[in-house]
Amino acid sequence: NAGVTQTPKFQVLKTGQSMTLQCAQDMNHEYMSWYRQDPGMGLRLIHYSVGAGITDQGEVPNGYNVSRSTTEDFPLRLLSAAPSQTSVYFCASRPLDGSEAFFGQGTRLTVV
Amino acid sequence: GQQLNQSPQSMFIQEGEDVSMNCTSSSIFNTWLWYKQDPGEGPVLLIALYKAGELTSNGRLTAQFGITRKDSFLNISASIPSDVGIYFCAGQPVSGGYQKVTFGIGTKLQVIP
Repeated sequence: NAGVTQTPKFQVLKTGQSMTLQCAQDMNHEYMSWYRQDPGMGLRLIHYSVGAGITDQGEVPNGYNVSRSTTEDFPLRLLSAAPSQTSVYFCASRPLDGSEAFFGQGTRLTVV
Repeated sequence: GQQLNQSPQSMFIQEGEDVSMNCTSSSIFNTWLWYKQDPGEGPVLLIALYKAGELTSNGRLTAQFGITRKDSFLNISASIPSDVGIYFCAGQPVSGGYQKVTFGIGTKLQVIP
């Protein structure tokens, strides 16, 4: 019973490098989202998707891209990493008609 | 955007004590959610509230949706060591979908055995 799976769990990048954070869910949820968690800031929404082929920006989308080619997967791309993107990233999913969001275990990203 | 004030930001309590934490908003919400985050894990939903004045329990946890729709409270009774973690409130405003859910900064709870 996997739920929401994020990979990798930890990552160190150099400034300017690119990478993709992976997120997959096996609950057939329509809604998926990415948050970043920073000390003293709570969870802030980066991008979200209400279904395959549909994505939209959240509160802090700059520097991040997403795509949703399947219901299961919602990768987050950093095209040119910056130290300000050092954070813990969480992927979450939920059904469109439900309020409970299921979160992954998080990816701790450090940009040096 | 909405501002959510969650307090206290951290608490040290003795095992067996009761705990209270709260969130207040500058906007009216139609849903309040309370999550717990264990170290190294993602948040897990504890309680969801959908109506002003609603009082809902989940074991030793009780949460209330404030009458003004701008606040919510979470109480933990008879705390135990496994209650350690960060508790987040989250609110969904009247206008806007789930993408408008705002999270508080969290209350870090430490339980001393």
